[in-house]
Amino acid sequence: GAGVSQSPSNKVTEKGKDVELRCDPISGHTALYWYRQSLGQGLEFLIYFQGNSAPDKSGLPSDRFSAERTGGSVSTLTIQRTQQEDSAVYLCASSPGPTSGNTIYFGEGSWLTVV
Amino acid sequence: DAKTTQPPSMDCAEGRAANLPCNHSTISGNEYVYWYRQIHSQGPQYIIHGLKNNETNEMASLIITEDRKSSTLILPHATLRDTAVYYCIVRANNAGNMLTFGGGTRLMVKP
Repeated sequence: GAGVSQSPSNKVTEKGKDVELRCDPISGHTALYWYRQSLGQGLEFLIYFQGNSAPDKSGLPSDRFSAERTGGSVSTLTIQRTQQEDSAVYLCASSPGPTSGNTIYFGEGSWLTVV
Repeated sequence: DAKTTQPPSMDCAEGRAANLPCNHSTISGNEYVYWYRQIHSQGPQYIIHGLKNNETNEMASLIITEDRKSSTLILPHATLRDTAVYYCIVRANNAGNMLTFGGGTRLMVKP
């Protein structure tokens, strides 16, 4: 597609359940980022993938959070044993490359509500 | 990443130019200045970026001072749909250079 695509756009889940959020980056983009934004708050970096390099997981808030990127394209963010504080919009972004001259483009996000 | 300072909020009359300032006094020579905006809680929208020279595209103009310690985003004819939070970000030129978002400026365009 023309832009970063995320699914589902909305997800309501019960506390304790696992959820998976999917991101399709812009075709050809080697860099992929996950952020989250709680209601009324700023964007919080979670994880970064670049090509075949080991991902930068420094922003993941706990070991309940993990992400994979298969084949250098699609990425899945998994949250295990969800908690109410995980409720947020999860934003995926991609970029043609790792250097700062390469623009990062965001998807519209996946809204997660944990009840 | 170098830190940026932006006013928390600004108002602008519809049809007038909106000039959004940003201070980045600790910027390094290879760091770009990026501007994004976020409407409600949609995904951040890229507006423009620059290194040293002023830049213009269909959305906005970016004016960077000669010493690169500050910049101004200009929306030449603001519309109500330009009401959003505008983020000025200085981005390091190293691997893993994710964008670090600050508080931004909440621009309110008024009729």
